[in-house]
Amino acid sequence: GESVGLHLPTLSVQEGDNSIINCAYSNSASDYFIWYKQESGKGPQFIIDIRSNMDKRQGQRVTVLLNKTVKHLSLQIAATQPGDSAVYFCAENTPGNQFYFGTGTSLTVIP
Amino acid sequence: DTEVTQTPKHLVMGMTNKKSLKCEQHMGHRAMYWYKQKAKKPPELMFVYSYEKLSINESVPSRFSPECPNSSLLNLHLHALQPEDSALYLCASSQRGGPGNQPQHFGDGTRLSIL
Repeated sequence: GESVGLHLPTLSVQEGDNSIINCAYSNSASDYFIWYKQESGKGPQFIIDIRSNMDKRQGQRVTVLLNKTVKHLSLQIAATQPGDSAVYFCAENTPGNQFYFGTGTSLTVIP
Repeated sequence: DTEVTQTPKHLVMGMTNKKSLKCEQHMGHRAMYWYKQKAKKPPELMFVYSYEKLSINESVPSRFSPECPNSSLLNLHLHALQPEDSALYLCASSQRGGPGNQPQHFGDGTRLSIL
């Protein structure tokens, strides 16, 4: 399958700080990307998405940045809270309609 | 609470048993998905149904048999599973025929253990 990987498998941040979770993808033709949050014992929860014709999209406390030149995606979480502790996955949709998840980053928020 | 409901939440079965996993959504979504997720790994796509027709089968062994009785329901029939099939099985749905550049909404999964 396609390679959608994350640079760091774990990330610890202090409550109130900003978090940045990174993702590298390998298919330069991928045209749609999603960030999911998965809490323990739950299914993945949609956070934010971005299409390849954009380089930035903002939601509530979250921002996704897309750098197509280096095939890199990042999720920024502002003022990180204990409830943000979870595993975060990026996912990509390829033109062949294949859908792949990255390996995941475990975010721990320290009170 | 998730809008995609999966039952049962937990299932323990022997290798010779036959069981079924069920998934239901009432959002009017026209695509439904089955994923398998091992511990500390990302979900892996197994099957996609678009408009009640199987559109993607990611080379899944025949001991897993999906069924889509109608646009709201998705089943996964299990038979003669192996211990390595123990995993969390996730169902998802999306608004249009999938996957196609749209978010998928997930249930909380069925935790399957094969003895």
